[in-house]
Amino acid sequence: DTEVTQTPKHLVMGMTNKKSLKCEQHMGHRAMYWYKQKAKKPPELMFVYSYEKLSINESVPSRFSPECPNSSLLNLHLHALQPEDSALYLCASSREGLASGNTIYFGEGSWLTVV
Amino acid sequence: RKEVEQDPGPFNVPEGATVAFNCTYSNSASQSFFWYRQDCRKEPKLLMSVYSSGNEDGRFTAQLNRASQYISLLIRDSKLSDSATYLCVVKGFGNQGGKLIFGQGTELSVKP
Repeated sequence: DTEVTQTPKHLVMGMTNKKSLKCEQHMGHRAMYWYKQKAKKPPELMFVYSYEKLSINESVPSRFSPECPNSSLLNLHLHALQPEDSALYLCASSREGLASGNTIYFGEGSWLTVV
Repeated sequence: RKEVEQDPGPFNVPEGATVAFNCTYSNSASQSFFWYRQDCRKEPKLLMSVYSSGNEDGRFTAQLNRASQYISLLIRDSKLSDSATYLCVVKGFGNQGGKLIFGQGTELSVKP
């Protein structure tokens, strides 16, 4: 069972809504990640936080806004999304940050549907 | 050329079969390699890391050939529960060290 907890598991939102996805880990990991996965495709990296600082932004549209309030929490704020943003959003964490070979552990994901 | 390429699949095999998945990566400086397993509508889970000397975990054997930039996964005595998508994953290095690069995945279906 994963030790990376994501809420909510399912979210349906309209294109004008503002919502947030939340992720929490208590493994003392210092790197946290957001991935997006569409059906039958591999996960695509969105953001990486290392020691609570944004380290990688894979040119993600500004309607997705990450936030790392502390080393255990990672949020993804959503605003003015499009139906094509509907996907599984996966949070992940690893012990150290960049330039390490540490294993990355995924949460169960949040299924997002934009209507 | 994709950074990580895998056999397209799907692989449909009978129980007890041996099946091999292949993967190639384009960046010769890559340092860390993994096989992840993903069940339908679930998150990816680490199956095993891949080491230069090759490594085995029960029925699963992973091999790495750095010269050929090639990774493999061998599953012996397939079980029904092995049915899943297997993702070849390469981890970036340096400033991109936090980036997992996924292959497209190979779907395995083990039949009775």
